[in-house]
Amino acid sequence: GNSVTQMEGPVTLSEEAFLTINCTYTATGYPSLFWYVQYPGEGLQLLLKATKADDKGSNKGFEATYRKETTSFHLEKGSVQVSDSAVYFCALSDRPGSARQLTFGSGTQLTVLP
Amino acid sequence: EAGVTQFPSHSVIEKGQTVTLRCDPISGHDNLYWYRRVMGKEIKFLLHFVKESKQDESGMPNNRFLAERTGGTYSTLKVQPAELEDSGVYFCASSQGSGGAYNEQFFGPGTRLTVL
Repeated sequence: GNSVTQMEGPVTLSEEAFLTINCTYTATGYPSLFWYVQYPGEGLQLLLKATKADDKGSNKGFEATYRKETTSFHLEKGSVQVSDSAVYFCALSDRPGSARQLTFGSGTQLTVLP
Repeated sequence: EAGVTQFPSHSVIEKGQTVTLRCDPISGHDNLYWYRRVMGKEIKFLLHFVKESKQDESGMPNNRFLAERTGGTYSTLKVQPAELEDSGVYFCASSQGSGGAYNEQFFGPGTRLTVL
C-alpha cells in the first residue's frame, strides 16, 4: 500500500535560518505529492503540490521538487519567519484528477524563534 | 465563503459513552472525507462520501464507528461505545466533484476527542 515517511520533529530554528523537512514515499503508479500546513487552531491548508516527476511546487517561499528516482519530496525554505511556526504534513494521492483519499506522513512541528 | 466547519472543537467523554461529531462541508462540495490523527502520528483516512453515498469506507477501524451524510450536506461521525484508543483529532475535508485537475481538499479545524 501507499505510505509517506516524514522527518521526525519537533524542529526548532531561529528566524532567517534555512529549513529542510524530509519526506519520502512509497506508492504504486505515479502519485501526486503535497505539503499541507496546520497553523495553531486552524485546519490543514494546502501549501504546495507537484503532480509529476521533476515538477517543483512553490508557495510563500517554500519549495519542494518531485524526485521519482529517490521517491522524495523534501520541503525547503531559504529563510524562515516566526509566522512559519506550524505543523507540516507531507501527503500523496495515488490517482490525481479523481477524488481520492490522501495518505499523510506523521507531521513535523516547526517552531521558529525570533 | 465559509470554510469547512466542525463541531464540537473538543469533546471529553468516558469509555463506553457515545459521541457524535459533525462536519459541515463547503457549500456545493460533493466530496466529503473523514480523517483521524491519533497520538501525534500520521493522519489516516477513514471514509469518503460522494454526496450522500459512501464511496470508500476502507479506513473505518471497526463497527463502533458510524458515518452518515444526510441529504448530501453535513455529515456526522458517531462512535459508540467509545474506547480509549479512539482518542485523537478527527478532521473533515471536502472537495468539489471529480474532474481533470486535482480537486483540492479543504480541511476543517478538527475535533479533538479525549476518551477517559
